[in-house]
Amino acid sequence: EPEVTQTPSHQVTQMGQEVILRCVPISNHLYFYWYRQILGQKVEFLVSFYNNEISEKSEIFDDQFSVERPDGSNFTLKIRSTKLEDSAMYFCATTTGMNQPQHFGDGTRLSIL
Amino acid sequence: GIQVEQSPPDLILQEGANSTLRCNFSDSVNNLQWFHQNPWGQLINLFYIPSGTKQNGRLSATTVATERYSLLYISSSQTTDSGVYFCADNFYGGATNKLIFGTGTLLAVQP
Repeated sequence: EPEVTQTPSHQVTQMGQEVILRCVPISNHLYFYWYRQILGQKVEFLVSFYNNEISEKSEIFDDQFSVERPDGSNFTLKIRSTKLEDSAMYFCATTTGMNQPQHFGDGTRLSIL
Repeated sequence: GIQVEQSPPDLILQEGANSTLRCNFSDSVNNLQWFHQNPWGQLINLFYIPSGTKQNGRLSATTVATERYSLLYISSSQTTDSGVYFCADNFYGGATNKLIFGTGTLLAVQP
């Protein structure tokens, strides 16, 4: 069964540094998402992406965050200047349509020191 | 905003026991999904169940969309069932089908 692939699985970064989290969507999927889960809490929506542009973003997704699909395959989340509170598990999810299930990657655990 | 409540928040079972987890929604159910988050943090997709009942091995799920709730049944539980169970839905009227997650049920199955 096709899978959503995320890299790296774990990233440790100094506060203030930039990080890029990568996701390879399932090949025929058109809608892409990033979610975040702070340790011990529920999963929260960050941003959705369709047709090469952001469709919706949450309050969490401020100017420090950006997403792009640079080469038509990878879907990336960039955090420009990381803060301690950015430490979390970040999940990429993709789907074929608005009324179809979302498929999640295994997540990237981001630790900011 | 839309509320997704899960109960119970915590559950401890002996291996072999059965359990029922519940998810209540404050708005109409649209594309409900159940997930199992294992101890390594991976979100495993269990069911996509906007309505009706589905079964997969020892797990089954029922969604009653008109009454805004869903149930997840675990029978003959095993230690590998331990983890956090989340329900999520994207609800009608959103700009995209972003999922809104419940707060989860933490399940511990003891040998």
